[in-house]
Amino acid sequence: GAGVSQSPSNKVTEKGKDVELRCDPISGHTALYWYRQRLGQGLEFLIYFQGNSAPDKSGLPSDRFSAERTGESVSTLTIQRTQQEDSAVYLCASSRQGASYEQYFGPGTRLTVT
Amino acid sequence: DQQVKQNSPSLSVQEGRISILNCDYTNSMFDYFLWYKKYPAEGPTFLISISSIKDKNEDGRFTVFLNKSAKHLSLHIVPSQPGDSAVYFCAARGWSGAGSYQLTFGKGTKLSVIP
Repeated sequence: GAGVSQSPSNKVTEKGKDVELRCDPISGHTALYWYRQRLGQGLEFLIYFQGNSAPDKSGLPSDRFSAERTGESVSTLTIQRTQQEDSAVYLCASSRQGASYEQYFGPGTRLTVT
Repeated sequence: DQQVKQNSPSLSVQEGRISILNCDYTNSMFDYFLWYKKYPAEGPTFLISISSIKDKNEDGRFTVFLNKSAKHLSLHIVPSQPGDSAVYFCAARGWSGAGSYQLTFGKGTKLSVIP
């Protein structure tokens, strides 16, 4: 079946602009996660959605970051007033309910803020 | 502070030999440990996991060992193949305190298998 897809694959934006990143999880996966990977670093948790429950936003680095998910489908991660330190690969993952130990990742969106 | 550490940024191994990738952690409350493999321009791929109540899990050429007293886990690949060349991330699952489990990742080890 289809895996996790993300768009765009690459995004170059000017400092101060807003960007929106999209994630399509695996069908039937109720859990969805966003991570950030800066150059030479590990994956950094940003936000978690589980079904219709309130999301766990504990990893969002600032109030410029927000994310939405409609039901158990597509999610968008929005970064407002982008800064150069926001440059990273943004990865989305999904998993079955109760199986957060087995997450399936998309290919990521490489964001470059100039 | 880094709760999951992979102290070797890179490792080179001859084809057919054993590859051993190491990972240390500090949080004794982690309940699952995982290894992910990542090729360039792709997302990480789940490889193998182990529950904190076990000390070994095997899947084909991949075996993960967990030493809870030392807070150390390792991934063994036997025999190593050129297609195993990738970045390997160690991850650990813990309760976030905000209503969900979270994975905490190490920085990765780049494995190169030399033909």
